[in-house]
Amino acid sequence: QKEVEQNSGPLSVPEGAIASLNCTYSDRGSQSFFWYRQYSGKSPELIMFIYSNGDKEDGRFTAQLNKASQYVSLLIRDSQPSDSATYLCAARRSFQKLVFGTGTRLLVSP
Amino acid sequence: EAQVTQNPRYLITVTGKKLTVTCSQNMNHEYMSWYRQDPGLGLRQIYYSMNVEVTDKGDVPEGYKVSRKEKRNFPLILESPSPNQTSLYFCASTNYQGMVPGEELAPGEQFFGPGTRLTVL
Repeated sequence: QKEVEQNSGPLSVPEGAIASLNCTYSDRGSQSFFWYRQYSGKSPELIMFIYSNGDKEDGRFTAQLNKASQYVSLLIRDSQPSDSATYLCAARRSFQKLVFGTGTRLLVSP
Repeated sequence: EAQVTQNPRYLITVTGKKLTVTCSQNMNHEYMSWYRQDPGLGLRQIYYSMNVEVTDKGDVPEGYKVSRKEKRNFPLILESPSPNQTSLYFCASTNYQGMVPGEELAPGEQFFGPGTRLTVL
């Protein structure tokens, strides 16, 4: 079992819809969770991080964390074609170690 | 401009020919790390450094070396590259953010370099 698991996709949504990206993790000692966006051939860029159970909102993005279920999600409201990218979920199991999932490819069609 | 730079961006080499990929950051960050990214395997940490002269292995350190003689630089060294080290490599740096519940010092945002695409023939 991978430490951080994501569905590889692609997840296809129409423009203006809500995209829901999911991630599960196996290490209950993980405290913080991160969502990165990576365009093809580019480096990852941080969208959000979350460490408390519940929701955290930032603009069109909402991260959700459920530590009991070991589940993290990212909602993108009003999806735009420019949101088409691979979204990486990461869990931090210690200060030094950030473990990434393999990413979910999101396609937003006009 | 705050940034992490890597050189070279692209490299094709042959098995056994030593190479170094440089990484430099201008944000005065203490923490730096190297990752490789492979299809189906995602980003995996190779080495990290908490500060000058302090380095440690990540999840896939075999075949790699690093050094941290200065705060801003964190080169990745492949003494004898092999084809299984063909990959996309990212350097990253981050600072300390402060306390978060249940943790000690938390890292701030991790800044990634632009990547180095390495092919070993």
